[in-house]
Amino acid sequence: DIVMTQSPDSLAVSLGERATINCKSSQSVLYSSINKNYLAWYQQKPGQPPKLLIYWASTRESGVPDRFSGSGSGTDFTLTITSLQAEDVALYYCHQYYTNPHTFGQGTKLEIK
Amino acid sequence: QLQLQESGPGLVNPSETLSLTCGVSGDSISSSSYYWGWIRQPPGKGLEWIGIIHYSGSTYYNPSLKSRVTISVDTSKNQFSLRLTSVTAADTAVYFCARQGDRGTYWGQGTLVTVSS
Repeated sequence: DIVMTQSPDSLAVSLGERATINCKSSQSVLYSSINKNYLAWYQQKPGQPPKLLIYWASTRESGVPDRFSGSGSGTDFTLTITSLQAEDVALYYCHQYYTNPHTFGQGTKLEIK
Repeated sequence: QLQLQESGPGLVNPSETLSLTCGVSGDSISSSSYYWGWIRQPPGKGLEWIGIIHYSGSTYYNPSLKSRVTISVDTSKNQFSLRLTSVTAADTAVYFCARQGDRGTYWGQGTLVTVSS
């Protein structure tokens, strides 16, 4: 199985500041033939299902604010939230869907400082 | 707009079988572009992928659960189902049904299943 490791486990950021969450996979999730990383980011708020933010490592899902961005390739990925808003307080997960079984990072809890 | 709705018992006795169904609206389960699957989240914990099915019948299961899991599809009802046998307290979780595609996963609201006598 591909192991997904997120860092940090929790993060406190001031409103309006930048939040950065990292995700590392134990093997590459890049489909070389189409040059796409099968890596997604989700936001989960209490009592809600995860919400897709980013797919293909850097493509923002429709309707997701542009303060959310994803980057990286191969085994190292980053989710960046610029200008943190109060509604961004949540758990964030990375997810590899390159191969079965799909696997998730352990989650990063984002709070307001 | 795609909607996924889980249904099934919220309480299952230990050693028995957990059965859930996911009703799909806003998309056809016979779409060749997607897989349909199940993911679970124990209370206060992370996400565990259970498995997926294509409308053609192809399935992929998490090896950690493979001996106990069956996912099936009913194209006539536009729904798919999960069966998990010989459950224990460790199977207590919120179970999400989901649509899996190349552009990530779209999730249902989830349903809490508690394993307890």
